[in-house]
Amino acid sequence: TQLLEQSPQFLSIQEGENLTVYCNSSSVFSSLQWYRQEPGEGPVLLVTVVTGGEVKKLKRLTFQFGDARKDSSLHITAAQPGDTGLYLCAGLDYMFGNKLVFGAGTILRVKS
Amino acid sequence: DSGVTQTPKHLITATGQRVTLRCSPRSGDLSVYWYQQSLDQGLQFLIQYYNGEERAKGNILERFSAQQFPDLHSELNLSSLELGDSALYFCASSVDRALGGYTFGSGTRLTVV
Repeated sequence: TQLLEQSPQFLSIQEGENLTVYCNSSSVFSSLQWYRQEPGEGPVLLVTVVTGGEVKKLKRLTFQFGDARKDSSLHITAAQPGDTGLYLCAGLDYMFGNKLVFGAGTILRVKS
Repeated sequence: DSGVTQTPKHLITATGQRVTLRCSPRSGDLSVYWYQQSLDQGLQFLIQYYNGEERAKGNILERFSAQQFPDLHSELNLSSLELGDSALYFCASSVDRALGGYTFGSGTRLTVV
């Protein structure tokens, strides 16, 4: 069974602070994807990382894929209230028919 | 609008009943995935179809079934409903290799009373 563990489960911070969310697994994945979900909506893809050690930046968000392709992190710089939401990491394994396995998610609340 | 259409948005039904959830994938996507999201279980993979054929199965109960039609829309059938089946049900679609990620619909909120 492939499992992805995310930490922390919940994060409440002030506007302007930095934060990091972690996603760890004992399994190797073909790629890791990060999604953001708002209440009443489906998850929306933020980024896909494929190569071990890869770093991708999306404005104030920095995503990193571990060298062994088992873990990933999401770092947000100078968080804003608009960043509030549920952040989900998901592992993709072609051996399982392109099925995405999701972590439990990190609920982020940014207070102004 | 993500391009993935799910209907209905909300559904309230009684225990023991049967419901059908419908999904139209994004134009050009051949793969359709169904997920169940609940507070205690997170997003759980149920089943995947590719171009009309079942490709992968997850923790889908025997009371649940799905199919993908020639026009690529998909239906998830839930029968003999129990209180514990109350959840958000999401459909997602992708191109075959899914490296570009899934595109999710807005979900169907099922409440079993």
